[in-house]
Order: sequence, then C-alpha cells, then structure tokens
Amino acid sequence: DIQMTQSPSTLSASVGDRVTITCRASQSINKWLAWYQQKPGKAPKVLIYKASNLESGVPSRFSGSGSGTDFTLTISSLQPDDFATYHCQQYNSYSLLTFGGGTKVEIK
Amino acid sequence: QVQLQESGPGLVRASETLSLTCTVFGYSISSDYCWGWIRQPPGKGLEWIGSICHGATVYCHPPLKSRTTMSVDMSKNQFSLNLDSVTAADTAVYYCARFCNGGNSYGTWDYWGQGTLVTVSS
Repeated sequence: DIQMTQSPSTLSASVGDRVTITCRASQSINKWLAWYQQKPGKAPKVLIYKASNLESGVPSRFSGSGSGTDFTLTISSLQPDDFATYHCQQYNSYSLLTFGGGTKVEIK
Repeated sequence: QVQLQESGPGLVRASETLSLTCTVFGYSISSDYCWGWIRQPPGKGLEWIGSICHGATVYCHPPLKSRTTMSVDMSKNQFSLNLDSVTAADTAVYYCARFCNGGNSYGTWDYWGQGTLVTVSS
C-alpha cells in the first residue's frame, strides 16, 4: 500500500491568513493526487486533481502543487467558508487508492 | 444532475454482515466510470473500501478484501456492498461515490451520496 501522511492534523488560523497543508506519499505517485474539502455532516468535495488542477467552480484562492512524494494545498486568503477538514488522496493506481488522515482547519 | 443515495440498516450486530445499496439517479451505471464505497469512522479520516468498474471488475482495499463483496444491478441502476464478520471497528459513516477512471478529472470521486451511519453493536 502507498501510505499518505498529512500534516498538520489540526491548524488554527484567522480569516485572511495564508494556509498551507502538506501531504507526503510513502513512494512516488507522480502527480496523481487530489484534494477534498469536507464540512461537518457532509460528503467530501473535490478541490484539486492531478496535484495542481483546480476543479471547476472552486475559488482561485485554492491552489495545489507538488509531484513525486511531496504535495501542498494552499489557501491564499482564508475565508469563513473555508473552515473545514481537508483530505488528500492518491490514485497512482485506481485499483489501490489511499486517503491521508485529514487536516482540520479551525478558527483561531 | 447525478445523485447517489445509500440505503441499508443503520445497526448491525457484531460478527454479522453489513449490507448497503447505492442507488444512482441521473446517470446510467452501465456507462463509463467506476463506482465505489468509502467510509469514515466517527472523528477519523476517510478510508477507501473498494470500487467496481465496467460492471464487473472489483478492486478492494487490501485489509478489507477478504471480507468485502461488491456487485452491480444494472436493471435497478444500483450497486451494493457486503462486508462480512463486522466488529466495532467497522462502525462508520459509509459513502457511495462515483470514481472518474478517465478524462480530465481522472482519479477523483466527483459525486457522493450523503453518507449513512452504520453502527456495529455487540
């Protein structure tokens, strides 16, 4: 299995802050990484695919970068609607998928 | 608009089989895409359970593979999950979702059900 390690597990930030979340794969996954946002009681929603491609309708303050084993999700200016949990997911092979442990972004 | 809806018992006894069905609206599951299940234990992260592609090929998370069965009923536009010999560790919100196995959004789960909580009781 490819293990995905997200950090931090919890992040406290204020509206307007620049926020960065990291996801590390246990082996190279090229650019086969997606990021999801999940709000309490709701299903996750795709933000980024193929490491850096913004899903249609997602605000441009979200961006993704990285390749190989190290990836980041950045929110350039945190908005009230962005307080949520973020998950990374690798799909180096769609027969063997893995999610990271999640990062909860809280209000500071 | 594609919609998915999970159905099944919310309470399962330990050692028995968890059975869930996902009904898809607005898209034929006989077309392209894979269809699958993801779960989330209370307060924890997401865990991929398995996917079924092209109506027949099943891929499962290795730790769950020996206990997992997945199937498709194209006449009802549904797919199903059976998880055998459940324990308290299988208590989770179970989501069904559509997986993009091609195209621009390849590799992502683009449509999800609302999730259903399944509690395993002893």
